[in-house]
Amino acid sequence: GNSVTQMEGPVTLSEEAFLTINCTYTATGYPSLFWYVQYPGEGLQLLLKATKADDKGSNKGFEATYRKETTSFHLEKGSVQVSDSAVYFCALSGGYQKVTFGTGTKLQVIP
Amino acid sequence: DVKVTQSSRYLVKRTGEKVFLECVQDMDHENMFWYRQDPGLGLRLIYFSYDVKMKEKGDIPEGYSVSREKKERFSLILESASTNQTSMYLCASRAGSGGAYEQYFGPGTRLTVT
Repeated sequence: GNSVTQMEGPVTLSEEAFLTINCTYTATGYPSLFWYVQYPGEGLQLLLKATKADDKGSNKGFEATYRKETTSFHLEKGSVQVSDSAVYFCALSGGYQKVTFGTGTKLQVIP
Repeated sequence: DVKVTQSSRYLVKRTGEKVFLECVQDMDHENMFWYRQDPGLGLRLIYFSYDVKMKEKGDIPEGYSVSREKKERFSLILESASTNQTSMYLCASRAGSGGAYEQYFGPGTRLTVT
């Protein structure tokens, strides 16, 4: 079956540091890949997505590239802010209905 | 903007009670989902529905049932609540069935069963 593995947190960074959150996946076929973000006390919201190999999703300074050869979709941001503190979920949608989520990575950015 | 609302943000119930969690979306989405979120386990799918009165089991359906009588409303039912069902419950909706569609989430209901 499909699976998503993302790095365990928490990740603690100073403001303006570079962020990478690793995500790798196992899936049959050609899934779509997503990053969702969950701010404290809220539900998840879409951060970015990519629907085919070599696509780059981007939003709010975050980027991730769909790498089929390495089955990865790592999330990056060049300069994090305190307001980026949240839990980040990598997810894939490979079939008709089901979405598979990673376990989430908590990011804490300190001033 | 798509809005997904859940009936309660916090709920405290006793063991053995029947519990209803309600979810409403306002964008005429076909698909609706119920997940539970637990630390270290991420989101796990309980049930989903791809049309009115249609439902399919997710990964952890035991102890739960669902109802979708109207397109905009998807209810999760705990027939006899147990302490191991203490969790955060998230509802989501999605416009279509293809993999590229994103999900829209409600704010969650934190259920405590005592």
